[in-house]
Amino acid sequence: EPEVTQTPSHQVTQMGQEVILRCVPISNHLYFYWYRQILGQKVEFLVSFYNNEISEKSEIFDDQFSVERPDGSNFTLKIRSTKLEDSAMYFCASNVQGAVNQPQHFGDGTRLSIL
Amino acid sequence: DQQVKQNSPSLSVQEGRISILNCDYTNSMFDYFLWYKKYPAEGPTFLISISSIKDKNEDGRFTVFLNKSAKHLSLHIVPSQPGDSAVYFCAARDSGGGADGLTFGKGTHLIIQP
Repeated sequence: EPEVTQTPSHQVTQMGQEVILRCVPISNHLYFYWYRQILGQKVEFLVSFYNNEISEKSEIFDDQFSVERPDGSNFTLKIRSTKLEDSAMYFCASNVQGAVNQPQHFGDGTRLSIL
Repeated sequence: DQQVKQNSPSLSVQEGRISILNCDYTNSMFDYFLWYKKYPAEGPTFLISISSIKDKNEDGRFTVFLNKSAKHLSLHIVPSQPGDSAVYFCAARDSGGGADGLTFGKGTHLIIQP
């Protein structure tokens, strides 16, 4: 069964450094998402992406965050200048069609640890 | 502001019995509801969903019930099996539709006792 893959599984970065989290969505999916889960808290929506542009973003997704689909398969989340509070699990998800009742499928996440 | 609430952090059920996980929501614009299951060190795995135009959806051992007037949904697992032990998340999508992100509850840790 096709799945969303994320790399790396664990990223350790010094505070203030830039980090790029990578995702390969399911190949025929058109909508892509990033979520995060801070330890002990709920999964929170960050951003959705369709047709090479951001469709929706939450309050969390401020200017230090950006997303990109650099080629036909990868979908990346960049955090420009990391802060301690960015430490979390980051999940990528994809969906065949955003407007139709189809579930989002999630990858296994990248654990980001900011030191 | 918890738009999706799962008030039971954990639930323990004996193997073979029914597991009932509950979820309440406050946003009347939610039109699509999903249940995800999550094992440690893995991402959420889609389990079952229901549109707001229905009140029940069944898939094998899993049934989701939606009570729109009460803004309540529940997931029934019967019979419960040891592999069902996981954290279960209720999630909802706003009828603004399109590419809207999901709003998640905090999860319920289901423990199936042998």
